[in-house]
Amino acid sequence: AQSVTQLGSHVSVSEGALVLLRCNYSSSVPPYLFWYVQYPNQGLQLLLKYTSAATLVKGINGFEAEFKKSETSFHLTKPSAHMSDAAEYFCAVSDSDFGNEKLTFGTGTRLTIIP
Amino acid sequence: EAGVTQFPSHSVIEKGQTVTLRCDPISGHDNLYWYRRVMGKEIKFLLHFVKESKQDESGMPNNRFLAERTGGTYSTLKVQPAELEDSGVYFCASSQDKFGQGASNEQFFGPGTRLTVL
Repeated sequence: AQSVTQLGSHVSVSEGALVLLRCNYSSSVPPYLFWYVQYPNQGLQLLLKYTSAATLVKGINGFEAEFKKSETSFHLTKPSAHMSDAAEYFCAVSDSDFGNEKLTFGTGTRLTIIP
Repeated sequence: EAGVTQFPSHSVIEKGQTVTLRCDPISGHDNLYWYRRVMGKEIKFLLHFVKESKQDESGMPNNRFLAERTGGTYSTLKVQPAELEDSGVYFCASSQDKFGQGASNEQFFGPGTRLTVL
């Protein structure tokens, strides 16, 4: 069975500082990994996804994540936080088996940006 | 292009009542998913439609939940009778199977329906 663990339900960083949101996964097959963001009163929006093409994945809004198989991690980073980054972030995994598309999510990390 | 829409945005009902949630996927998306987030916990998969067929309903909590997707367009999720533990946010998502990419297809999420059972 697949699972995702997000360390830290709340993270606060100062505007302009590095953002690091942690995600570790467990999967019996090569995984597909995703980061989604949810802004207030909106649906989840895909930030980026890993599908085995490249270990360093660049997403929207300046975010990127690195797949590290040895550490079973897929941490999300952004070099310089902006006030508009305040939101809740979800890491998710799905099996790479064709047709098995359901996402297994972590519990989410709420990011607060301090002015 | 319109995104995934869900109706209602909020619903407050009493225990024992019936509620029906609706999801309109992005036009042309054959895959439709329902997920639920109970407060403070992870978003959990409920079921997956491919067109009008249930591909995977392993996440449905019990037989009080009934999902339908008549004609392969919009979907409804009915809870009857509702219990206190059914409270949460119900998300719908849709995806298009591009060139058989399967699990790597992006799922587009709606804003969710917040259900409160009193």
